[in-house]
Amino acid sequence: EPEVTQTPSHQVTQMGQEVILRCVPISNHLYFYWYRQILGQKVEFLVSFYNNEISEKSEIFDDQFSVERPDGSNFTLKIRSTKLEDSAMYFCASGPGTGGVYTFGSGTRLTVV
Amino acid sequence: GESVGLHLPTLSVQEGDNSIINCAYSNSASDYFIWYKQESGKGPQFIIDIRSNMDKRQGQRVTVLLNKTVKHLSLQIAATQPGDSAVYFCAENKGNNRLAFGKGNQVVVIP
Repeated sequence: EPEVTQTPSHQVTQMGQEVILRCVPISNHLYFYWYRQILGQKVEFLVSFYNNEISEKSEIFDDQFSVERPDGSNFTLKIRSTKLEDSAMYFCASGPGTGGVYTFGSGTRLTVV
Repeated sequence: GESVGLHLPTLSVQEGDNSIINCAYSNSASDYFIWYKQESGKGPQFIIDIRSNMDKRQGQRVTVLLNKTVKHLSLQIAATQPGDSAVYFCAENKGNNRLAFGKGNQVVVIP
């Protein structure tokens, strides 16, 4: 069964540093997403991406965040200057079309120290 | 404001029994709902979905019920197995594929 692959599985970074979280969506999917989950809390929407541009973003997704699809397979989330409160699990997801039925990756646990 | 939430934080169920997980939503205009399962260390996994023009939908060992009158959603798992131990989230599709998740409900299956 096709999977969404995320790397690394765990990233530790110092406050103020830049991090890039990487995702390989399912190959024939057209819609890409980032969600995050702070420990013990619910999963929160960050951003959706379609046709090489952001289609929607939440209030969490401020100027510190950016997304990119640098080639035909990768989808990245960059946090320019990490803060302690950015510590969370970050999930990438992809879907074939509209409807909400999309596949999540296993996540990257980001720890900001 | 709009919200999607779960009634019970933890459900302990004997293996073989049926499980019922409940979810309330507040936006009466919501028209699409999804249940996800999240096992430890993994991402949310799609279980079943339902549109607002339906009140029941069945999958393999799972049934989702939608009561639009009271804005209530439930997930029933038949003959619960140890592999069903996980956190279950209901989610509302808020348009443009933006999902709003509830807080999650831990299901613990007792062998």
